Amino acid sequence: KAGVTQTPRYLIKTRGQQVTLSCSPISGHRSVSWYQQTPGQGLQFLFEYFSETQRNKGNFPGRFSGRQFSNSRSEMNVSTLELGDSALYLCASSLNVLNYGYTFGSGTRLTVV
Amino acid sequence: DAKTTQPPSMDCAEGRAANLPCNHSTISGNEYVYWYRQIHSQGPQYIIHGLKNNETNEMASLIITEDRKSSTLILPHATLRDTAVYYCIVRGGLGDDKIIFGKGTRLHILP
Repeated sequence: KAGVTQTPRYLIKTRGQQVTLSCSPISGHRSVSWYQQTPGQGLQFLFEYFSETQRNKGNFPGRFSGRQFSNSRSEMNVSTLELGDSALYLCASSLNVLNYGYTFGSGTRLTVV
Repeated sequence: DAKTTQPPSMDCAEGRAANLPCNHSTISGNEYVYWYRQIHSQGPQYIIHGLKNNETNEMASLIITEDRKSSTLILPHATLRDTAVYYCIVRGGLGDDKIIFGKGTRLHILP
């Protein structure tokens, strides 16, 4: 079956712009979580959604937001981009939030210039 | 902050068993131990998880101590393709807490 699909794979944006990243989970998976990975901070949890409801949120400013649609697809948005937002953004899906492992996508590499 | 402590790096000879330790001394009763690995420039890959019993799947074995304060991931016959960063994560079974990745262990498989 198809894995977790993230689009686009690469993105270059200018400071001050906003960006929307998309994640399509594995068919039947209802939980989607997002992560930011940078060389300095490693993998950091952004937020998690289950059945269109945000269950958990990491320690990121309000410029980072997300949502989940009724088909479990998810988007995350970053407004007023800063140079420090350059990172690999990873999405992961799971059947549900109860003791299941997550399957990760390949990520979207965002570069802010 | 991460709830787990792992050595920053380890070496293992190809064909030998790789034993990756993880300390989670503050683990609570309903928290599971999960292991993931990340091969360079790819998304992390789920390996295995467990609560208190030892677990085995086609990829690895997970040994959790009786007091649950530490665990060991065992790759029985390491190959060069097992070179990766391995993350040990603790998370509640209800999934109502944040998912926190630590620094992980960088495993080098030596030919």
